[in-house]
Amino acid sequence: KAGVTQTPRYLIKTRGQQVTLSCSPISGHRSVSWYQQTPGQGLQFLFEYFSETQRNKGNFPGRFSGRQFSNSRSEMNVSTLELGDSALYLCASSLGPSGSNEQFFGPGTRLTVL
Amino acid sequence: QQQVKQSPQSLIVQKGGISIINCAYENTAFDYFPWYQQFPGKGPALLIAIRPDVSEKKEGRFTISFNKSAKQFSLHIMDSQPGDSATYFCAAKKAAGNKLTFGGGTRVLVKP
Repeated sequence: KAGVTQTPRYLIKTRGQQVTLSCSPISGHRSVSWYQQTPGQGLQFLFEYFSETQRNKGNFPGRFSGRQFSNSRSEMNVSTLELGDSALYLCASSLGPSGSNEQFFGPGTRLTVL
Repeated sequence: QQQVKQSPQSLIVQKGGISIINCAYENTAFDYFPWYQQFPGKGPALLIAIRPDVSEKKEGRFTISFNKSAKQFSLHIMDSQPGDSATYFCAAKKAAGNKLTFGGGTRVLVKP
C-alpha cells in the first residue's frame, strides 16, 4: 500500500507570494491533518480535515488555509508569504477523525521563503 | 503554552546501551500517547503508542512506560543501535479529533 505523498517536495518562494501544497493520503484513509515543523517551534498542528470538512484548527493566522476534496486529497494554501513561514510542512493521514487511529506522515514539503 | 514537555533535548549513548526519553503532559483530557521517530529529510514515523489504561507497552526493543498519576510517560530504547540515531518525538492526543500535540523532540546519537 502506498504511503502518504506530498507534492512538491521542495519549494522556493519570495515574500508576498502565495503557495499551495498538496497531500494524497493512504488509500482508504479519510482524515488528513497538516503540521508545520520548524527548528524553533517544533511540530505544530495547523488543521484537520475529514469528509471535506475542517474539524479542527491550530493557532495560525488566517493566511493559512486548507481544503479537502471528495477523494480525501487535501491542499493547504499560504497567502502573503512571510520569511517566518519557511518550514517543513507535513501531512498526516488516518482512517477516521477520532479514537486512537494511527496517523501516518508524508515526507513533507520543504518551503523556503526568500 | 507547551502542553507536552520532552527531555532531554539530546543524548548520546553507546551501542548496546539504553536510551531513555521522558515526557510530561498537563492536559488530563489526553488519552493517546504515540512516539514518532524522524530521520533527516523524512517525515515522522510512528514507533509505538500507548493508552493511559496501560502502564507499559513493549514492541521489540522499544518500551513505553506510562504513569497516569504523575502525568508522565517515557520511551526506552534497549540495545541501542547506530541505526536508531534519529530525533524522537512524544505526542499526545485527545479522544476526539486527530490533533497531535508534540513534545520538543530528542536528538539521539548512538555511537558504535
